[in-house]
Amino acid sequence: AQKITQTQPGMFVQEKEAVTLDCTYDTSDQSYGLFWYKQPSSGEMIFLIYQGSYDEQNATEGRYSLNFQKARKSANLVISASQLGDSAMYFCAMRGANRDDKIIFGKGTRLHILP
Amino acid sequence: EAQVTQNPRYLITVTGKKLTVTCSQNMNHEYMSWYRQDPGLGLRQIYYSMNVEVTDKGDVPEGYKVSRKEKRNFPLILESPSPNQTSLYFCASTTGGGDTQYFGPGTRLTVL
Repeated sequence: AQKITQTQPGMFVQEKEAVTLDCTYDTSDQSYGLFWYKQPSSGEMIFLIYQGSYDEQNATEGRYSLNFQKARKSANLVISASQLGDSAMYFCAMRGANRDDKIIFGKGTRLHILP
Repeated sequence: EAQVTQNPRYLITVTGKKLTVTCSQNMNHEYMSWYRQDPGLGLRQIYYSMNVEVTDKGDVPEGYKVSRKEKRNFPLILESPSPNQTSLYFCASTTGGGDTQYFGPGTRLTVL
């Protein structure tokens, strides 16, 4: 069965520092997709970044990058130069080989950026 | 503007009173799904739909029904709500490639 693990329930980071949010996954599929979402206190879910299992390069979107280590089954989110507005809950998620497969979520990491 | 809309955004109801939460997307996506979010549990999928008239159970389908009569709409139905269904509900739709999932704004449901 597929599983997503986020081992950091909460983190406090100084503004302007880089942040790494951990995510490990477990799947027997050869092809899969990995996602990160941000949920600010207002409640909406905001898509941040996607990594396909066969993508050779790590995905990047602005200040967000995904450190994909396939052999270790890890997909950590890296936020460079953190900002106060980055304070939010962050969820790692995974989809199986087929686009019709379910998407499963980790339990999330609450990130607090300190001024 | 590409978006997923949900209504209502907030709902307080009583046990046993049937309710429907609507979800609509304007992106012509085939794949839509419903999640509930509870503290410490992350998001759990309730039901999903691969296309019109094609639905399947997610991880926590008990107590819920869905229908997909049109591509753009995917309502969530609680025939007889109970207090353990008090939660934050999200509808989402996905592109054909499945690499981006768009979420609705959420519906906060309280069942007394």
